[in-house]
Amino acid sequence: SQQGEEDPQALSIQEGENATMNCSYKTSINNLQWYRQNSGRGLVHLILIRSNEREKHSGRLRVTLDTSKKSSSLLITASRAADTASYFCATDASQGAQKLVFGQGTRLTINP
Amino acid sequence: GAVVSQHPSWVICKSGTSVKIECRSLDFQATTMFWYRQFPKQSLMLMATSNEGSKATYEQGVEKDKFLINHASLTLSTLTVTSAHPEDSSFYICSATPGMSGRSYNEQFFGPGTRLTVL
Repeated sequence: SQQGEEDPQALSIQEGENATMNCSYKTSINNLQWYRQNSGRGLVHLILIRSNEREKHSGRLRVTLDTSKKSSSLLITASRAADTASYFCATDASQGAQKLVFGQGTRLTINP
Repeated sequence: GAVVSQHPSWVICKSGTSVKIECRSLDFQATTMFWYRQFPKQSLMLMATSNEGSKATYEQGVEKDKFLINHASLTLSTLTVTSAHPEDSSFYICSATPGMSGRSYNEQFFGPGTRLTVL
């Protein structure tokens, strides 16, 4: 089965800087989603980008998708301490009921 | 809207005992629920897909006799870890999807997770 890979595995930046995380996958997809997970908590859905879309924005988030390279990036602009969390991409290649395959995640630390 | 709860949020049990984890969709009917396992500092791994009123579909490598899944209603799915051992200690997360027809995708809503520690 496909398995997303994310890089970097860990990222530490100063508050106010931009954070970029990348995700790669192996097979064709219907859509790709990004989630945030605070330590020991559940997942929060951030944004979904469909296979026919190239870029999407939501507040301080910008997601790009390059299906030819089977990769996506998540950009968080003007980072805040509250953005400290793990970020996962998840791909959906299934028909019918959504079956997500998660990447390994990037642990983002925003230093005040 | 679209809230999913899990109970308990954490549980400690002795090796050999069974533990039941509940996943509830509070404000929508979930035709499909998913169970994931997450080890420390690792990603979520799908264990099984559960459809209301039918047997769960398990991912390769997941023992269906050890991880019993019951999806008895459109708002409740349970995962029972039978004869738990220390290696079963993990963070178990469920998600639920409304299964609305006509949409190109069915968004999953995640529960807060249950941390299981087996001594």
